[in-house]
Amino acid sequence: GENVEQHPSTLSVQEGDSAVIKCTYSDSASNYFPWYKQELGKRPQLIIDIRSNVGEKKDQRIAVTLNKTAKHFSLHITETQPEDSAVYFCAASRGGSTLGRLYFGRGTQLTVWP
Amino acid sequence: DAMVIQNPRYQVTQFGKPVTLSCSQTLNHNVMYWYQQKSSQAPKLLFHYYDKDFNNEADTPDNFQSRRPNTSFCFLDIRSPGLGDAAMYLCATSTKIAPGTNNEQFFGPGTRLTVL
Repeated sequence: GENVEQHPSTLSVQEGDSAVIKCTYSDSASNYFPWYKQELGKRPQLIIDIRSNVGEKKDQRIAVTLNKTAKHFSLHITETQPEDSAVYFCAASRGGSTLGRLYFGRGTQLTVWP
Repeated sequence: DAMVIQNPRYQVTQFGKPVTLSCSQTLNHNVMYWYQQKSSQAPKLLFHYYDKDFNNEADTPDNFQSRRPNTSFCFLDIRSPGLGDAAMYLCATSTKIAPGTNNEQFFGPGTRLTVL
């Protein structure tokens, strides 16, 4: 099956700085890559996703890049704010009979210091 | 508002005492998932349903069962909870529009299970 590696496991940045979280995947058939944000004690919430036919996607301060050849994708948060502090999970999925099964990375604890 | 609802939010049970967690959705999604999430770990998929078709993950213990009586509801039964089963249990839904496509999974707030 798919194996998703996520780095770093913890990340501390100063407010206003950028944060980058990187993930690699093993299954070349994976074609959907969502990022979830989970605040302490709350549900994971989708913040951005990208499909394999696109190399980059941006939504305000958040962007995701995908390199299919190298099988890695990254989350970029610019102008970080204290409310960005949370655990971020990357995931990979492929279509067909797998019904969108998500393979998650281990998560990155992001702390933004004011 | 359309959403994924889980009850109860907190469940305390005794070692070996069966427990049932419930999930309901108003999104009319045909796919429902159950995840187990332990502290500081990623959600781990236990099973999922496509309509009534049940899909069990190979490493899901036999102690865990699931039922989906209709589109809106899905239950997770833990037959004999052990201390290692203490975790957050997350329900999620998605809609499968066409083969080869993948769609966002919407998560419920979770049920935190404590085993005494």
